[in-house]
This record gives sequence, C-alpha cells and structure tokens, in this order.
Amino acid sequence: GAGVSQSPSNKVTEKGKDVELRCDPISGHTALYWYRQRLGQGLEFLIYFQGNSAPDKSGLPSDRFSAERTGESVSTLTIQRTQQEDSAVYLCASSPLGTARYGANVLTFGAGSRLTVL
Amino acid sequence: DQQVKQNSPSLSVQEGRISILNCDYTNSMFDYFLWYKKYPAEGPTFLISISSIKDKNEDGRFTVFLNKSAKHLSLHIVPSQPGDSAVYFCAASSNYGGSQGNLIFGKGTKLSVKP
Repeated sequence: GAGVSQSPSNKVTEKGKDVELRCDPISGHTALYWYRQRLGQGLEFLIYFQGNSAPDKSGLPSDRFSAERTGESVSTLTIQRTQQEDSAVYLCASSPLGTARYGANVLTFGAGSRLTVL
Repeated sequence: DQQVKQNSPSLSVQEGRISILNCDYTNSMFDYFLWYKKYPAEGPTFLISISSIKDKNEDGRFTVFLNKSAKHLSLHIVPSQPGDSAVYFCAASSNYGGSQGNLIFGKGTKLSVKP
C-alpha cells in the first residue's frame, strides 16, 4: 500500500484480556518497528524487525508483550493479560533499509492503534 | 536514562517569527539526527535530518543545526505558520551497536503558532 496501515485504530478492552494489534508496512520495506506513546510521554521503542535477522526485543516492557512478523510483510503485536498501564497509542513504522549505514534511516509511521484498558 | 532529551515540553510563537526547538543527546556514537512532526491522531511524519559530519542542513523554512561538541541540535522554523502547530520529536540513530536501525526519540515539544 501507499503507507503504513494499522488496525484497529481504536481498541477498548478489559483488564486481563489479550489484544492483538496489526501492522501492514510499506511494500518493500525490510525493517519494521513498534513504538508506543503513553499519555504525555515520548515515543518508546518496543521491538524492531530487520529482514531475516533475529528481532531486537530490547524495548519490550514485560513478557506479556510479544510480536511476530511474517517475512517482510505484516506484523502483529500481542499483549497478554492487559493492564491499565498498557493504555497507549501503539505506533508501527517501516523503513526501506533499517540501518543508518546508508544515510538517515527515515521511518514512515502509521496512524497508530489507540489501546484503552479499563 | 534518556539518551535524547527535549527539555521544553511546549513553545508558543507568533506567526511570522522564528521557532527554535532544542534537543540534547548523551550518546556520542549517534550518526544521524532526525526531526519528526506529529499532529493529533496521526502518526509522526519525517521533517528533516542531519548527519553527524555536518553542522547544518536546510530545507525551505526548516533548518537543523548540530553542535557535536555540546551534543546539542536545534530546529529552526522561519517564518513560523499556524499550520506548523504540532508536536516535534527529535530522534537519533547510531551505526554502531546492536540496534543499528533503531531511532531513539525525545519526549517531544508542542509548538503553538499564534496567528
């Protein structure tokens, strides 16, 4: 597609439920990122996929968070047993190369999935 | 431990005047610095970048200045327009280490341009 597509745009769930957030990156982009933005905070890195390399999971806040990516396409971020502090906008981004080695690594972001945990 | 810091959460400027948004960083290994703009309910959009080997990059009304010795960069918008009102994020990336492609973001500065 023309841009990064995320779904759902809004999700309200009850504490303790599992949620899945989906990201369709720009076709041909090898790198895919998940960030989240909690209210009043900056963008917090969660996980990064680059081609066939092992993903960088260093930003995942707990083992309740996991993400998968199928080849160089769709990614799903799963949050198990959601807590109220998981409420945030979850942003997905993709980039063509995924490295700063060949110039600035410009990420293109989706509009985000707003998660509210009651 | 924040590697990229934007110490001003908000800035208000009159239309036509200059807006200066500041960013400080701690990691001397950062190679590239980027500015993103974010409107409410939208994802951040890329604005301008600068390589660590340069001290200035200009694109229309937007200029980014980098002072490596001070680990400081700034984004200048002149003249400012009401449509520039948004949250501006500073970001940095490093060619070294385990996360070569990762962007580290600051907390953002909300710019309001008054007509």
